[in-house]
Amino acid sequence: QLVLTQSPSASASLGASVKLTCTLSSEHSTYAIAWHQQQPKKGPRFLMKLTSDGSHIKGDGIPDRFSGSSSGTERYLTISSLQSEDDADYYCQTWDSTIHIFGGGTKLTVL
Amino acid sequence: EVQLVESGGGLVQPGRSLRLSCTASGFTFGYYAMSWVRQAPGKGLEWVGFIRSRAFGGTTEYAASVQGRFTISRDDSKSIAYLEMNSLTTDDTAVYYCTRVNPALPGYSYGYTAYWGQGALVTVSS
Repeated sequence: QLVLTQSPSASASLGASVKLTCTLSSEHSTYAIAWHQQQPKKGPRFLMKLTSDGSHIKGDGIPDRFSGSSSGTERYLTISSLQSEDDADYYCQTWDSTIHIFGGGTKLTVL
Repeated sequence: EVQLVESGGGLVQPGRSLRLSCTASGFTFGYYAMSWVRQAPGKGLEWVGFIRSRAFGGTTEYAASVQGRFTISRDDSKSIAYLEMNSLTTDDTAVYYCTRVNPALPGYSYGYTAYWGQGALVTVSS
């Protein structure tokens, strides 16, 4: 069964870096994912598509501070030089031919 | 600029029906699959379903939670996607987002959400 697992929360200081993790079910290690950001009281925004080899395609206007990488079943979103507006929920998404799956989301707090 | 604008949300009684519309602009609507995603109050994102482009038959897929009650359709001449919701229950209360699906790889009929609408609130309550 296709499943995405995310830690419920993370925190980091203003100006620092943080690495969020999205874990695919073990038999789906070749799957790509997408990362989405949802700021408080706003709709989600697409950040990037991330493949199993770590290559990524960003959405419109996404700053260079956001990057992605992969290792095995894990897909990472790294945010550097954290800013206050990065305080948000981050969701990963994957898909196959008949279904989309979202992870439970990680709430990032910028201290 | 890609824009997706949902409309048709509101308050509806349990057991009744409601139809949401998603009006698209800024891209060639007929080339893309479209999906619907919902978010219950205080909860995470839940995929509802998607419709392939006409090139792939305009066929649909649904989450198990809405299969048989919800129907997604599209009118490429108007650049509108629809979500028809029947037999609504209080568990269907959520903000409903329309999204554009980019192909996973060139030539694929399915893929990932690359653009989001602003959402439409549907409240099911007596």
